[in-house]
Amino acid sequence: EIVMTQSPATLSVSPGERATLSCRASQSVGSNLAWYQQKPGQAPRLLIYGASTRATGFSARFSGSGSGTEFTLTISSLQSEDFAVYYCQQYTNWPPLTFGGGTKVEIK
Amino acid sequence: EVQLVESGGGVVQPGGSLRLSCAASGFTFSSYWMHWVRQAPGKGLVWVSRVNFDGSSTTYADSVKGRFTISRDNAQNTLYLQMNSLRAEDTAVYYCAPTATPGGNFGYWGQGTLVTVSS
Repeated sequence: EIVMTQSPATLSVSPGERATLSCRASQSVGSNLAWYQQKPGQAPRLLIYGASTRATGFSARFSGSGSGTEFTLTISSLQSEDFAVYYCQQYTNWPPLTFGGGTKVEIK
Repeated sequence: EVQLVESGGGVVQPGGSLRLSCAASGFTFSSYWMHWVRQAPGKGLVWVSRVNFDGSSTTYADSVKGRFTISRDNAQNTLYLQMNSLRAEDTAVYYCAPTATPGGNFGYWGQGTLVTVSS
């Protein structure tokens, strides 16, 4: 099973600042990495797939990068609606499909 | 528009059973693998199970193997999860989600249904 580790667990950022979230895989997942955004009381929403392709409906201020075992989600200038929990997920080696533990982006 | 509507959650005692349903619309249900993913209160996402297009192939997380059964009815565009021998650690919101391949990312999610296992 591939273990996904996200850091930090919580990120305190002021509106307008840049946020950088990390996701590490215990073995290479190539580019088969997705990011999800989840707000309280809502289902997760696909944000990034293929490590760097932004899903429909998300602003260009969201960008994903990385391959192999190290991945980064960057939010260039945080808006109020971006404060949420973000999860990474690998889909190269399954079952099981595995998720990271999440990073909560909160208002500083 | 893709819609996934889960139902069947509720409060059940340890050792009890529950059957979840996921009604799908807006896409060709029989052309997609279907998955269940759960989220314990305040915790992260955990993949639970998947079923192939016609229900002939199923896979489970180790934590539910032998207790949960995934199935589907393509005529009714409905996915099921039969949960037996429930434990406190099964308490979670259960989401259904389709993928075009056996493993993949989840582009669509239902709103989830809450299962609480408690005496």
